[in-house]
Amino acid sequence: DIQMTQSPSSLSASVGDRVTITCQASQDISNYLNWYQQKPGKAPKLLIYDASNLETGVPSRFSGSGSGTDFTFTISSLQPEDIATYYCQQYDNLSFTFGPGTKVDIK
Amino acid sequence: EVQLLESGGGLVQPGGSLRLSCAASGFTFSSYAMSWVRQAPGKGLEWVSAISGSGGSTYYADSVKGRFTISRDNSKNTLYLQMNSLRAEDTAVYYCAKERDIVVVPAAICDYWGQGTLVTVSS
Repeated sequence: DIQMTQSPSSLSASVGDRVTITCQASQDISNYLNWYQQKPGKAPKLLIYDASNLETGVPSRFSGSGSGTDFTFTISSLQPEDIATYYCQQYDNLSFTFGPGTKVDIK
Repeated sequence: EVQLLESGGGLVQPGGSLRLSCAASGFTFSSYAMSWVRQAPGKGLEWVSAISGSGGSTYYADSVKGRFTISRDNSKNTLYLQMNSLRAEDTAVYYCAKERDIVVVPAAICDYWGQGTLVTVSS
């Protein structure tokens, strides 16, 4: 099974800061990587699919990059409404593993 | 407007069974693969199962294979998850989610999610 790791597990940043989260797969998954945002008590929300494609309606301050085993998710200018946990998720070979999540807070 | 509404959660004893339902509206249900994703209290997300739009192909996480069965009734726009031989570690909020694109093989790229239904397995 493909394992996903994320770092950091949590971070605190100021409004306006650039925030970067990394996700690593245990084997090559090409670009089969999505990013979700989950706010407390709410269902997850798709932000990025296929590693770098911004989902319709998602603000352009969110972006994703990477391929193979190493991926990056960036918030270019952190806003108060971005407080949430962010999950990467791979979908290679009919296995759909989520990373452990990164909790983002405002400093 | 796409809506997904789960129901059927509750308290069940270890070894028991439960069937979850997810009523869908606002899109052509039979065209889209669907998934169940769960989240144990205070924990991360875990994909559980997926089904093709026709219902002819199903997929399961190893943790539930042989115990859970996903199905759908396209005439009723409803997705199901039959859960048997339940264990304490199955305790979670269960979400149903819609595949973003019309695909032959699910990719669990889910653009709409329900609000979730809580399943508690405890004696």
